[in-house]
Amino acid sequence: GAVVSQHPSWVICKSGTSVKIECRSLDFQATTMFWYRQFPKQSLMLMATSNEGSKATYEQGVEKDKFLINHASLTLSTLTVTSAHPEDSSFYICSVETGTDNSPLHFGNGTRLTVT
Amino acid sequence: GQNIDQPTEMTATEGAIVQINCTYQTSGFNGLFWYQQHAGEAPTFLSYNVLDGLEEKGRFSSFLSRSKGYSYLLLKELQMKDSASYLCAVRDWAQAGTALIFGKGTTLSVSS
Repeated sequence: GAVVSQHPSWVICKSGTSVKIECRSLDFQATTMFWYRQFPKQSLMLMATSNEGSKATYEQGVEKDKFLINHASLTLSTLTVTSAHPEDSSFYICSVETGTDNSPLHFGNGTRLTVT
Repeated sequence: GQNIDQPTEMTATEGAIVQINCTYQTSGFNGLFWYQQHAGEAPTFLSYNVLDGLEEKGRFSSFLSRSKGYSYLLLKELQMKDSASYLCAVRDWAQAGTALIFGKGTTLSVSS
């Protein structure tokens, strides 16, 4: 069964508005979650590491004030794209670390964001 | 990921065997993963290597040589449903902690 639930699956918003994406780990507690972004025919690019109870760690080139991450509980991390612009249109995917060093990441189903 | 290289596209026919290569550079290597991704969907985990050698899982096998910074994914008895993008990813403690850094993916097209 699914390990990670991501919502919404797709969203269309107007330029200048904000969009919140939720990522939930199911049946286990996740102290660490990761947010990736994928443009068409491109690789998954790590945006940030979300840590429960502390500030997220952002990758170089990712604006922390634009992509707000909140990891308030062991089962929920949210990514808010603030003041969205058409260039933010992309596929956003969260993933969860399930425990040991050797464990693969489990991914949510992704959110297709289109900014008009 | 700029330090992970894999071919952009490959084609093969049903029933055949295909090998997808991946080379990488890391500072703190801690595992190499292969994922399958169909268009518009999330990646699904296929295999994992942390020690040198071959790992076999049904029709899929993955090989790793840490000294060469090289891995391959071997797909046997290809089926049409295997048409997808195959992503090579590494865990590099020095670069991204426990996150995975992905290559650009190899789009495999299987024809009848």
